[in-house]
Amino acid sequence: RKEVEQDPGPFNVPEGATVAFNCTYSNSASQSFFWYRQDCRKEPKLLMSVYSSGNEDGRFTAQLNRASQYISLLIRDSKLSDSATYLCVVKSGSGAGSYQLTFGKGTKLSVIP
Amino acid sequence: DAGVTQSPTHLIKTRGQQVTLRCSPKSGHDTVSWYQQALGQGPQFIFQYYEEEERQRGNFPDRFSGHQFPNYSSELNVNALLLGDSALYLCASSLGPQETQYFGPGTRLLVL
Repeated sequence: RKEVEQDPGPFNVPEGATVAFNCTYSNSASQSFFWYRQDCRKEPKLLMSVYSSGNEDGRFTAQLNRASQYISLLIRDSKLSDSATYLCVVKSGSGAGSYQLTFGKGTKLSVIP
Repeated sequence: DAGVTQSPTHLIKTRGQQVTLRCSPKSGHDTVSWYQQALGQGPQFIFQYYEEEERQRGNFPDRFSGHQFPNYSSELNVNALLLGDSALYLCASSLGPQETQYFGPGTRLLVL
């Protein structure tokens, strides 16, 4: 089982639509969770952190279910500028004061006019 | 405020050669992590450097090595290049090993 699994996509949605991305992770000791956005041929950029209580940033809502080891990202009122690949990311520590980020393969979103 | 910078932007090598990639962290950051991103995949963690030492390593062979300098910049070295090493190599810096990582634009390596 892969450490971080995401819907493979691609998701093609019209402007204004609501789209949801799902992600599961295998390491129950994982400490923190994030969604990154990666535009074509660019570096990943942090979109938002994900907390158990759920968190919202404008049109974006992220949820974490530790019991199910499941993370989600909801985008409301999709804009053309939301077109990108969305990466689910899990942070795990080594116990030596360091940590690594484990990325999913990403889900590509295309918002169509 | 300069972000993370990487050089070169693109590189073409042949199998068996060696390559060195460079990374300058964001101003004030002291920790550098390296990732390999193959086409259609998410980035994969190679290793992290802090206080000039390799602190954690992902599942990569010894052909991949690195270094961190006193000014916190870092190099990634790959020996005996294979076709499968063709990828985007990303450097990320952070203010300490536990903090949020910010990525540079990456170096695209093509091995022929």
